[in-house]
Order: sequence, then structure tokens, then C-alpha cells
Amino acid sequence: KAGVTQTPRYLIKTRGQQVTLSCSPISGHRSVSWYQQTPGQGLQFLFEYFSETQRNKGNFPGRFSGRQFSNSRSEMNVSTLELGDSALYLCASRNNLAPSSYNEQFFGPGTRLTVL
Amino acid sequence: QKEVEQDPGPLSVPEGAIVSLNCTYSNSAFQYFMWYRQYSRKGPELLMYTYSSGNKEDGRFTAQVDKSSKYISLFIRDSQPSDSATYLCAMSGEGNQGGKLIFGQGTELSVKP
Repeated sequence: KAGVTQTPRYLIKTRGQQVTLSCSPISGHRSVSWYQQTPGQGLQFLFEYFSETQRNKGNFPGRFSGRQFSNSRSEMNVSTLELGDSALYLCASRNNLAPSSYNEQFFGPGTRLTVL
Repeated sequence: QKEVEQDPGPLSVPEGAIVSLNCTYSNSAFQYFMWYRQYSRKGPELLMYTYSSGNKEDGRFTAQVDKSSKYISLFIRDSQPSDSATYLCAMSGEGNQGGKLIFGQGTELSVKP
């Protein structure tokens, strides 16, 4: 079974621009969570989507948004980029309908975003 | 104070040593506990997954959860140079909180041949 895939793997943007990142979950997984990883703050939760609905949201400004499609693929968008948005953005999927592995989250390789 | 505390290390051990990694947490609502391994410039890889208190063993890895002390551990037996990576503890609550993992800062481990 293929793992979580993320595209693109690397992005370079300038301040003020916007960016869209894509995540395809493991086949059969309907829940997708997004995280930001930086050296200073570590791994921080952004939001989770299940059945095209946002279920939970972390403490990030409204510039960070996401959505999920009917095939469970998810995208996140960051508008008006700031230098501090430079980070590794990770998505993770889980099969939250399986009792024995309800919260096992499997991560993709991430998208490394650099804001200049 | 962070919800999850983890000693960032770095931790350096000789090959074959037993490694002990630990996290403490403050939120009593946490029910699911995980350990991830992350190699440089890669995504985290799930190593161990535990629900509530108890021990779980998988090969050279043993995870322990003590909810009364709000303390979790990962032991690596017969450590190998290939175990050199950053180890992250993560935890979450029930229901709608299940998809929200709270991570420790990660411990950087180096196993010397």
C-alpha cells in the first residue's frame, strides 16, 4: 500500500505571496492532519480534516487554511507569506474508523517551504 | 509550560547500549501515546503506538506509559548506528481531539560504532 504523498517537496516563495500544498493520504484513510515543523517550535498541529470537514484547528492565524476533497486528498493554503512561515509542512493520515488503530497517524515526507 | 516536555539531548551512546528516552506531560485527557523516529530531512516514522497505560514491546523497542505519573518512556535495546535519528514522543486525546497530536521537542540520538 502506498504511503502518504505530498507535493511539491520543495518550494521557494517571497514575502506576501501565497502557496498551496497538496497531500494524498494512504488509501482508505479519510482523516488528514497538517503540521508545521520548525527548529524553534518543533512540530505543531495546524488542522485536521475528515469527510471534507475541518474537525480541529491549532493556534495559527487565519492566513493558514485548508480543505479536503471527496477522495480524501487535502490541500493547505498559506496567504500573505511571512519569513517566519519557512518550515517543513507535514501531513499525516489515519484510519479513524478502525478501532484497533484509531489514532495511528502516518506522515508524508513533507514540503519544505522557504520564504525569502 | 509546554503540554509535553522532552529532553532534546543530544544523546550519544556506543553501539549495543540500551537507550532510554522519556517524556512528561501535563494534560490528563491524553489517552493515545506514540513514539516517532525522524531521520534528517524526512517525515516522522511511527515506531510505537499505545492506548492508555501499560507496556508494549516490538523487537528491540519497548514503550511504557504511566498515566498516574504522566510519564512515558521508550527503550531501545542493542542500539545500532542506524538508530541514529531524532525521536519524538506524541500524544492525543479522545474523540475530536484524536487527530491532534501534541509533540515533544524531540531527542537527538547518536549511536557510535
